Amino acid sequence: GAVVSQHPSWVICKSGTSVKIECRSLDFQATTMFWYRQFPKQSLMLMATSNEGSKATYEQGVEKDKFLINHASLTLSTLTVTSAHPEDSSFYICSARGQGDYYEQYFGPGTRLTVT
Amino acid sequence: DQQVKQNSPSLSVQEGRISILNCDYTNSMFDYFLWYKKYPAEGPTFLISISSIKDKNEDGRFTVFLNKSAKHLSLHIVPSQPGDSAVYFCAAAGGKLIFGQGTELSVKP
Repeated sequence: GAVVSQHPSWVICKSGTSVKIECRSLDFQATTMFWYRQFPKQSLMLMATSNEGSKATYEQGVEKDKFLINHASLTLSTLTVTSAHPEDSSFYICSARGQGDYYEQYFGPGTRLTVT
Repeated sequence: DQQVKQNSPSLSVQEGRISILNCDYTNSMFDYFLWYKKYPAEGPTFLISISSIKDKNEDGRFTVFLNKSAKHLSLHIVPSQPGDSAVYFCAAAGGKLIFGQGTELSVKP
């Protein structure tokens, strides 16, 4: 149980274009979803927290207009990187927390974004 | 300001021996701690957790120890296996998860 998928697993896009990453909880309802970013050899940095049906809460320093997050249902959240630039190249990971889970988060496999 | 720190970026252990991964935190309000294992280009997978009301939690080969007075926790893996080679992250829960920098464990046959 508690499986989270992400799509795509990797994507290459040109500078200036937008990319959408999907995060799905496959066998549970995710009341809260989280988006992280990881640079090589570094920790997971929380970008934003989203609750189903409400606006995402962004961490300090994360541009909400650049990283659009939508949590339209209890099983799907999307992250759209708008007007991507090479410095946005990174490994993006989502996680989901179900009802009754206060602490545990279940992570997706991640998406490698490369902006050329 | 790094609230959760893993000061050893890497650790190498012989197969069959004990692996000890350490983690320090600064905020005494954290009340729950988790360890995750991560392979390259994959998401973290949950390993084991501990509540601040306990000082030890064991699950098979994995044991987590919590020393609240020292604000320190450790993950013990006994016996270590080559398949344990991965990056291990500790995380503290205070509403959201705050991760340490990770320790890359290499278990050599």
